[in-house]
Amino acid sequence: DAGVTQSPTHLIKTRGQQVTLRCSPKSGHDTVSWYQQALGQGPQFIFQYYEEEERQRGNFPDRFSGHQFPNYSSELNVNALLLGDSALYLCASSLERIQREGYEQYFGPGTRLTVT
Amino acid sequence: GQNIDQPTEMTATEGAIVQINCTYQTSGFNGLFWYQQHAGEAPTFLSYNVLDGLEEKGRFSSFLSRSKGYSYLLLKELQMKDSASYLCAVMDSNYQLIWGAGTKLIIKP
Repeated sequence: DAGVTQSPTHLIKTRGQQVTLRCSPKSGHDTVSWYQQALGQGPQFIFQYYEEEERQRGNFPDRFSGHQFPNYSSELNVNALLLGDSALYLCASSLERIQREGYEQYFGPGTRLTVT
Repeated sequence: GQNIDQPTEMTATEGAIVQINCTYQTSGFNGLFWYQQHAGEAPTFLSYNVLDGLEEKGRFSSFLSRSKGYSYLLLKELQMKDSASYLCAVMDSNYQLIWGAGTKLIIKP
């Protein structure tokens, strides 16, 4: 049973460039959430996808966008990269129908993005 | 605004007991989670509390007082592998997880 997978593991980009990060949820999960975690900080919620729609969004600018595919996998896109976008980007998957019952989110290993 | 506070760093001795506190102020409350995160790795689930009281799971226990906006994670019989960051997260009225900055726990022999 594959867990949550993310690609790439590490990425180095230059200011102003665009980046796409990918996530495949745990088998059987239908909801994907994306988080940004700066060094020494807790994760910050970016957005959540369910049924190919963005269902919730945190306090992030429109430069951050995403997509969910019919197979529940998801992409996070960041345009016009800033130095401050350097962080660990975590994807977490869950089951929508029971996530409100305390069912934990399963996290992927993350993508470490460095913007220079 | 929404706020979750936990100590930045704690140090404890192998074999001892340590309590990590978390206080929160959020828009609504639908449960509190504790996650463990080793350096460079993804967070892993430890516990979930939605009702007041103590939840015990092996060496780890978590306590919640909703009226006080307070929780703690208790780790017993500490092992070197318990050295990690411990993250407190609250699910708010929108079922969105609000995270604390984490407590870095250092275990000494």
